[in-house]
Amino acid sequence: ETGVTQSPTHLIKTRGQQVTLRCSSQSGHNTVSWYQQALGQGPQFIFQYYREEENGRGNFPPRFSGLQFPNYSSELNVNALELDDSALYLCASSLGGGWGPSTGELFFGEGSRLTVL
Amino acid sequence: SQQGEEDPQALSIQEGENATMNCSYKTSINNLQWYRQNSGRGLVHLILIRSNEREKHSGRLRVTLDTSKKSSSLLITASRAADTASYFCATASTGANSKLTFGKGITLSVRP
Repeated sequence: ETGVTQSPTHLIKTRGQQVTLRCSSQSGHNTVSWYQQALGQGPQFIFQYYREEENGRGNFPPRFSGLQFPNYSSELNVNALELDDSALYLCASSLGGGWGPSTGELFFGEGSRLTVL
Repeated sequence: SQQGEEDPQALSIQEGENATMNCSYKTSINNLQWYRQNSGRGLVHLILIRSNEREKHSGRLRVTLDTSKKSSSLLITASRAADTASYFCATASTGANSKLTFGKGITLSVRP
């Protein structure tokens, strides 16, 4: 069984740039959620994808967008980067998110640490 | 916003002692979960307790849930240095738009 993998592990961008983060879900999982974790805080829900459709979103602006592919892998895109976007971005996969954001056990990747200068 | 509030924010104990961490929340929940995070890495699911359960065990972990007080506690017995990590409670609220909401976490240090 393959776990959740994320890439890249670390990256540095400057304000105004765009970034794409990638996630491969755990084998057999059809739902991917993205979370932002600022230093010293808990993860904040960004959005969830189920079968290539976004079916849940947290309090994040439209410049945070995503995709899910037929193999259930996913991308998180952030446009017009701001300093406050510096954080650890976590991807989590799960089963059965068809009715909205998953509320069962989540399987997390190791995260992508984004620094915006 | 973060529904779950963990207490204390930081806890330091000696190896072999028990560690008790608390979580309070504000709205009705379907379930409450505890996760562990080592030094800014990914989160690992520890245990899930449903709203109709009062206590659950998993190895050295014991979780209790009191829905009347809207609180939960996580007990780690016979702690080890390897238990040093941040621990988060996450609540799944009821109703439409339910999602998993994490607290700010508790930093546990276990001294060898």
